[in-house]
Amino acid sequence: GAGVSQSPSNKVTEKGKDVELRCDPISGHTALYWYRQSLGQGLEFLIYFQGNSAPDKSGLPSDRFSAERTGGSVSTLTIQRTQQEDSAVYLCASSPTGTAVQPQHFGDGTRLSIL
Amino acid sequence: ILNVEQSPQSLHVQEGDSTNFTCSFPSSNFYALHWYRWETAKSPEALFVMTLNGDEKKKGRISATLNTKEGYSYLYIKGSQPEDSATYLCASSNTGFQKLVFGTGTRLLVSP
Repeated sequence: GAGVSQSPSNKVTEKGKDVELRCDPISGHTALYWYRQSLGQGLEFLIYFQGNSAPDKSGLPSDRFSAERTGGSVSTLTIQRTQQEDSAVYLCASSPTGTAVQPQHFGDGTRLSIL
Repeated sequence: ILNVEQSPQSLHVQEGDSTNFTCSFPSSNFYALHWYRWETAKSPEALFVMTLNGDEKKKGRISATLNTKEGYSYLYIKGSQPEDSATYLCASSNTGFQKLVFGTGTRLLVSP
């Protein structure tokens, strides 16, 4: 079946612009996660959704970052007034019910470059 | 703060060599340990999820062990092949929900 789909695959934008990243999880997966990997860093947790609600937003680095999930499916991660330090690969993952014993299924990521 | 560390940072072996990497994590409130393989230009792929002390899992030439009391896991690759070249990530959870904390990975290069 279809895997996790992310778009766009690459995004180049100027500092100060807003960007929106999209994630379409595996059908039926209730849990959805956003991570980012900055150059030379490990995968950094950003936010976790269970259905449409986000019980854990602790990883969002600033109030310029927000995310929503509608219909228990597609999620968008929005970064307002982008800064150069936001340049990273943003990965989305999903899992069937969100317990820690289930592997996460990742998309190919969005490579974001802020000029 | 949960801190997951992996070593070595990178590794270069010849085809046919066997190799292993280490992942260390806090042993308190441990819940689960994940291993993923991340090939260039692809998405991370789950290898193993382990929860019990002494767990051993195997997938083809790749196997992993878990010691939750001392907080480490080993990943072994037997008879490395060029297609094994990838970054191997481990991640730990100390809750029942999947807030995974990832290490920075071990980058493996296997030369023919």
